[in-house]
Amino acid sequence: EAQVTQNPRYLITVTGKKLTVTCSQNMNHEYMSWYRQDPGLGLRQIYYSMNVEVTDKGDVPEGYKVSRKEKRNFPLILESPSPNQTSLYFCASSRRTGTGGYTFGSGTRLTVV
Amino acid sequence: AQTVTQSQPEMSVQEAETVTLSCTYDTSENNYYLFWYKQPPSRQMILVIRQEAYKQQNATENRFSVNFQKAAKSFSLKISDSQLGDTAMYFCAFGGDAGKSTFGDGTTLTVKP
Repeated sequence: EAQVTQNPRYLITVTGKKLTVTCSQNMNHEYMSWYRQDPGLGLRQIYYSMNVEVTDKGDVPEGYKVSRKEKRNFPLILESPSPNQTSLYFCASSRRTGTGGYTFGSGTRLTVV
Repeated sequence: AQTVTQSQPEMSVQEAETVTLSCTYDTSENNYYLFWYKQPPSRQMILVIRQEAYKQQNATENRFSVNFQKAAKSFSLKISDSQLGDTAMYFCAFGGDAGKSTFGDGTTLTVKP
């Protein structure tokens, strides 16, 4: 089944403790992207990747890191999480930058206390 | 930078009737894609319909159709014969060739029996 797999689905952590949210797709998509969703603000793009070893900042990249060493994986790293990073996070992929639409993962609900 | 505006935070419609959700956008890009996504309470993001900006013909997917007015930068979604399962939050989204994507703040649609 074609899908984007995110883990974990739920995570509660403490301020300053480094964490990684994994994202993997099995569709051989070139494009991958991370978003955060907050009430009333829709989805905001954090980082995106047009292909392996190519990443770019979205609208809200502060406090996040990403890497794209393999085509299928695009992990999101929070080096020192803070409470304002409490949010619902989505990973998405597509064949090219937007062609055909984005396939989304199931989301990760992150709480930083 | 592009912007996407959904001016209707909430809407409701009677089952079997027709409803239109509004979306306007702004961009300086020439080649881009527009989407409508549905997010039910399960929080999964589901692609409803997509439109390539270079195509003049409005996209249609079963009960869902769009009215794409490129000059006016307008991209509304019409849902015909509304069903209870259409109850969800709907997001209008822009995807550019450069890789950035922008989502509107969403419209919560309630279909009433």
